[in-house]
Amino acid sequence: SQQGEEDPQALSIQEGENATMNCSYKTSINNLQWYRQNSGRGLVHLILIRSNEREKHSGRLRVTLDTSKKSSSLLITASRAADTASYFCATEYSAGGTSYGKLTFGQGTILTVHP
Amino acid sequence: GAVVSQHPSRVICKSGTSVKIECRSLDFQATTMFWYRQFPKQSLMLMATSNEGSKATYEQGVEKDKFLINHASLTLSTLTVTSAHPEDSSFYICSANRRGEQYFGPGTRLTVT
Repeated sequence: SQQGEEDPQALSIQEGENATMNCSYKTSINNLQWYRQNSGRGLVHLILIRSNEREKHSGRLRVTLDTSKKSSSLLITASRAADTASYFCATEYSAGGTSYGKLTFGQGTILTVHP
Repeated sequence: GAVVSQHPSRVICKSGTSVKIECRSLDFQATTMFWYRQFPKQSLMLMATSNEGSKATYEQGVEKDKFLINHASLTLSTLTVTSAHPEDSSFYICSANRRGEQYFGPGTRLTVT
């Protein structure tokens, strides 16, 4: 399986704290994306980082990518109770510069932010 | 932004019946759509790639005769679960490719009794 791994599997923090989630993958990639999913709902795209980028910010989100280690991290700063959800990384497979559009998802991290 | 819809959002069917799930790109044309499946408390797994005007490409381990995919137009792909069984109960999510970015539908929860 090409599916990546995420850690931790579950993270419980207090409001105002920062939450860091890590993702590792196995193949060469075109980009890596982070998604959020509320229980039983669809996916919300959070941020995309390309293989030639090392860090990207969007509001309270900060994503890093280390292609040499095949890993990425998502940092949510000043967390809120509304951030409670599952977070998934997803990699888009690339070969010879061609993007196939298919995403391989990590196992996900369940984040619980206590008010 | 681009919008992808799915219908129905929830469906309950009896074992042995077939269920059709629709995935529509509402404001753009998508020559390629993807179907994912998500079991409870698990991640999404790609089932197949739906190509407009040609046969779908299935991932290893996915039965193409059980999960029929039809991409009849540039805005519609359908997934039919044939002879559904309780183990097919899952959350099915489609995505459509627009200019290299994936846009996901809200998902369809299938329960087979």
